[in-house]
Amino acid sequence: NAGVTQTPKFRILKIGQSMTLQCAQDMNHNYMYWYRQDPGMGLKLIYYSVGAGITDKGEVPNGYNVSRSTTEDFPLRLELAAPSQTSVYFCASSRGTEYNSPLHFGNGTRLTVT
Amino acid sequence: AQTVTQSQPEMSVQEAETVTLSCTYDTSESDYYLFWYKQPPSRQMILVIRQEAYKQQNATENRFSVNFQKAAKSFSLKISDSQLGDAAMYFCAYRISGGGADGLTFGKGTHLIIQP
Repeated sequence: NAGVTQTPKFRILKIGQSMTLQCAQDMNHNYMYWYRQDPGMGLKLIYYSVGAGITDKGEVPNGYNVSRSTTEDFPLRLELAAPSQTSVYFCASSRGTEYNSPLHFGNGTRLTVT
Repeated sequence: AQTVTQSQPEMSVQEAETVTLSCTYDTSESDYYLFWYKQPPSRQMILVIRQEAYKQQNATENRFSVNFQKAAKSFSLKISDSQLGDAAMYFCAYRISGGGADGLTFGKGTHLIIQP
């Protein structure tokens, strides 16, 4: 059981480049999330999705885009990368929003923009 | 908006002793969920323990227990018989009940050091 899989694990981008962070889950979860974690900070929500075809902004969406064409996949797109987007990115999923539907996290992608 | 505050950036404890990590939160909701996540150097986010706000009884998972004080909006984590493997960042998190489609609100974390 793979759970939530994120690729790549590490990436270095130059300012202005674009890239897509991949996230896939094999638990048939409806809810998926993208968080970023800056040094010394907790996780902040970038975007979330409650099902295929439905996405919504979180706390820090600027500079990012997402899509959810299937239940399994929830890629995060960075357009015109900026140094402020240097962070560790986590994808997570959950079956629902109830107490017994905790978030399952991927292992994160460390992104550096120089 | 809900906020979660962890006032201890770093804590240190001797192996086999007990340590308590603090967490307070601010919400106008009456029903919600609270969580503690552990993040070891591997970066993986691991659920340690969770609590439903309407339950008075404090949650316990082996050596981990919480002290949930709803009126004070406090949710501390106690780790008994600390082990070297407990060394990690610990995050307190909040989720509204019955509508938390936008996931969890996290505190900034407490770095726990275990002294051998």
